[in-house]
Amino acid sequence: DAGITQSPRHKVTETGTPVTLRCHQTENHRYMYWYRQDPGHGLRLIHYSYGVKDTDKGEVSDGYSVSRSKTEDFLLTLESATSSQTSVYFCAIRGTGGSNSPLHFGNGTRLTVT
Amino acid sequence: TQLLEQSPQFLSIQEGENLTVYCNSSSVFSSLQWYRQEPGEGPVLLVTVVTGGEVKKLKRLTFQFGDARKDSSLHITAAQPGDTGLYLCADLGNAGKSTFGDGTTLTVKP
Repeated sequence: DAGITQSPRHKVTETGTPVTLRCHQTENHRYMYWYRQDPGHGLRLIHYSYGVKDTDKGEVSDGYSVSRSKTEDFLLTLESATSSQTSVYFCAIRGTGGSNSPLHFGNGTRLTVT
Repeated sequence: TQLLEQSPQFLSIQEGENLTVYCNSSSVFSSLQWYRQEPGEGPVLLVTVVTGGEVKKLKRLTFQFGDARKDSSLHITAAQPGDTGLYLCADLGNAGKSTFGDGTTLTVKP
């Protein structure tokens, strides 16, 4: 295992509430990513981080923010959850084997916004 | 924006059959990766291919990369129930910002 833990694994929340998902890695890798996975859309990049306090937007960043205050933790926040943000969220880290290093994924957080 | 199209979307076969799934890109791949995902888990890397025309084998799985680096195929010989899962192709872009296809859901019945 690549040493990635996502919490919580499941969450149900109401529309309009803030939600924070946590990704914790024990590999000391520089790059971390948040993806969402929806039927018919595959995996889409939300935000990524290339170091402590260094983050950038991905393909579907609207309505999401991230923070990385320590190498091992990457937080994803839904500032005001909407039903369209019901999804499975995956955190990933990138290996250190060079430019073709693969992504190693956590086991996901299933978020339902009612 | 790069688009990755995978086909078929769903595939259901009997144990022992052979199958091929495809991945086509709207632009040249930087580096193509195939992942397999099982229910309730994250995707796991199967292979990375970089060079046009490259063929890689992983036990009963054979991966081919097109000469023009815009398409790829995954062939499974004598499929087993343990091969069941979602097969995803991805282009590893700059800073590891991968673009994924929608995947092929494979079911192998015993």
